[in-house]
Amino acid sequence: IAGITQAPTSQILAAGRRMTLRCTQDMRHNAMYWYRQDLGLGLRLIHYSNTAGTTGKGEVPDGYSVSRANTDDFPLTLASAVPSQTSVYFCASSDSQDTGELFFGEGSRLTVL
Amino acid sequence: GQNIDQPTEMTATEGAIVQINCTYQTSGFNGLFWYQQHAGEAPTFLSYNVLDGLEEKGRFSSFLSRSKGYSYLLLKELQMKDSASYLCAVMDSNYQLIWGAGTKLIIKP
Repeated sequence: IAGITQAPTSQILAAGRRMTLRCTQDMRHNAMYWYRQDLGLGLRLIHYSNTAGTTGKGEVPDGYSVSRANTDDFPLTLASAVPSQTSVYFCASSDSQDTGELFFGEGSRLTVL
Repeated sequence: GQNIDQPTEMTATEGAIVQINCTYQTSGFNGLFWYQQHAGEAPTFLSYNVLDGLEEKGRFSSFLSRSKGYSYLLLKELQMKDSASYLCAVMDSNYQLIWGAGTKLIIKP
């Protein structure tokens, strides 16, 4: 089934630990995105990639890093988690960077204690 | 700064019509998008407007006025499954999506 897959679905993490959220798509989309969603706030862009081999910073990049070694995979790493990074994280993809029709993964709920 | 405003919550009755408004102030404009998000699930794309006017898609319609920085999503013949949050997003001049906080729509029987 074509789509975008995130893992893990949910995770509780001690502050200071390193964590990688995985994201894989099989739609051959060029652009991929990581958002966080917090109650009362709109989706906020963390990092994005317009094509394999390139990445860019979004609105809230601090404390996060990404890589885009190939078209399909776009992992998000928290080098040293802090409680303010408790959130729901959505990975998304689109055919190109200039289309607003995004396809989202099911989300990863992360709690940092 | 860039800003998207939409009501936090709305309540409507099954079978009725509801209009969810969205106003925006952004650096440039390359389209306005509506997404639906059921509780605990991912957002899914509903509609796209880039020119002024009404776009109809079944029970859902979306309207845009670029001069007023205004859009609305119209839902007709409401069903219980329409209970969800509706997200308004605008693509700015840098092709970045700016998102509103979403409108939680509660449908009552």
